[in-house]
Amino acid sequence: DIQMTQSPSSLSASVGDRVTITCRASQSISSYLNWYQQKPGKAPKLLIYAASSLQSGVPSRFSGSGSGTDFTLTISSLQPEDFATYYCQQSYSTPPEFGPGTKVDIK
Amino acid sequence: QVQLQESGPGLVKPSETLSLTCAVSGYSISSGYYWGWIRQPPGKGLEWIGSIYHSGSTYYNPSLKSRVTISVDTSKNQFSLKLSSVTAADTAVYYCARLSSGWEFDYWGQGTLVTVSS
Repeated sequence: DIQMTQSPSSLSASVGDRVTITCRASQSISSYLNWYQQKPGKAPKLLIYAASSLQSGVPSRFSGSGSGTDFTLTISSLQPEDFATYYCQQSYSTPPEFGPGTKVDIK
Repeated sequence: QVQLQESGPGLVKPSETLSLTCAVSGYSISSGYYWGWIRQPPGKGLEWIGSIYHSGSTYYNPSLKSRVTISVDTSKNQFSLKLSSVTAADTAVYYCARLSSGWEFDYWGQGTLVTVSS
């Protein structure tokens, strides 16, 4: 199985900050990497698919990059509604593993 | 607009079988895509359980494969999960979701909490 790690596990940031979250796969997954946002008590929401494609309806302040084993999710200017937990997920092979998550909270 | 809704008992006794159904609206399961189940224990991360195509083709997480059955009923536009021999470790919010062409989960149900307790 392909293992996913994320860093940091949590971070504190202020509104307007630029935030970067890293996801690493245990082997190359090409660009088969997706990012989700989850707020408390809610289902995850797809933000980015295929490493860098923005899901319809997602604000352009979210962007993704990377290929192979190393990927990043960037929020260019953090907004109040962005405080949440973010998960990466590989879709290169089954099982489609999720990363452990990165919690973004208010500084 | 694609919508998914989980249903089933919120409390299951240890050693019994957990059964959930996901009703899909706004899209016909027979038209394509894989459909799947994901769970999240309280305060923890996401775990994929398995997925099914409208033809009945399935993929299961190896860690759960011996206990999991996922089935589809295209006439009712729904798919179901059965997890046998449950323990407290199976207590989680269970989500159903659609897998898009690249196996990203693009539509999710709201989730349902299943507690395993006597």
